[in-house]
Amino acid sequence: SQQGEEDPQALSIQEGENATMNCSYKTSINNLQWYRQNSGRGLVHLILIRSNEREKHSGRLRVTLDTSKKSSSLLITASRAADTASYFCAIPRGKLIFGQGTELSVKP
Amino acid sequence: DAGVIQSPRHEVTEMGQEVTLRCKPISGHNSLFWYRQTMMRGLELLIYFNNNVPIDDSGMPEDRFSAKMPNASFSTLKIQPSEPRDSAVYFCASSSDSGYYEQYFGPGTRLTVT
Repeated sequence: SQQGEEDPQALSIQEGENATMNCSYKTSINNLQWYRQNSGRGLVHLILIRSNEREKHSGRLRVTLDTSKKSSSLLITASRAADTASYFCAIPRGKLIFGQGTELSVKP
Repeated sequence: DAGVIQSPRHEVTEMGQEVTLRCKPISGHNSLFWYRQTMMRGLELLIYFNNNVPIDDSGMPEDRFSAKMPNASFSTLKIQPSEPRDSAVYFCASSSDSGYYEQYFGPGTRLTVT
C-alpha cells in the first residue's frame, strides 16, 4: 500500500494529557502532511513536514519525521476536549494519499 | 477568502435519479479534487483536475460517475443514475499545486440515495 497507515486506530485520553499518533509509510516521500477532521466536517490541514526536516512545531502540535524508519508522529500536548477529532496523515504520490486515520477522543 | 464552497450540503434522492454536486475552489488554486468518504472505505480520491484538465480519474467507480471543470472557478460531479451504495459524504478540495502541498477541503455534501 502506498498510503500512510495510522496507529492507533482509536485513542481515548483525559483533558490535559498528551496524545501521540503515528503514521508509517512504505515509499520515499517529498513531504508528509497531517490533517484533522471534526465530526461532520471537511478535513483541515494541520502541518506539512518536508523530507529533509526531522521535527516541526505548530502551537501545541509537534510532528516528527524519520525517513529511515519511514514513519512520522503527531504529538498534541495538553489536549483539550476540542481536540476530539480524526487525524489523518497523507503522503503525496502525484496526488495525496490519505491513511485511514486515528480517532482521538479527549474527555473533559 | 470564503474557502472551498460546496452545494448542496445535503441531498436526499431516490434510486435512479440524477445527482449533481457542485464545487467552487479557492480563487487562485489550480488543482481541484473530488473525494468520497464512507465508514467502510474511508476517504477515496475520485478524480482530480489541474488547470481545469482531468489528470487522474482512476478513482471514479464506474461510468455512472462523471466530473467536469469548465473553468477555474467551478466543478461538478454528476451521478446518473444514482444507487443506494453511492450514499456517502462527497468532499471537494483545492490546492495551489497538483498534490504536493496542502489541500483545502470544503464542508462536503452528504448524499443519501434511497
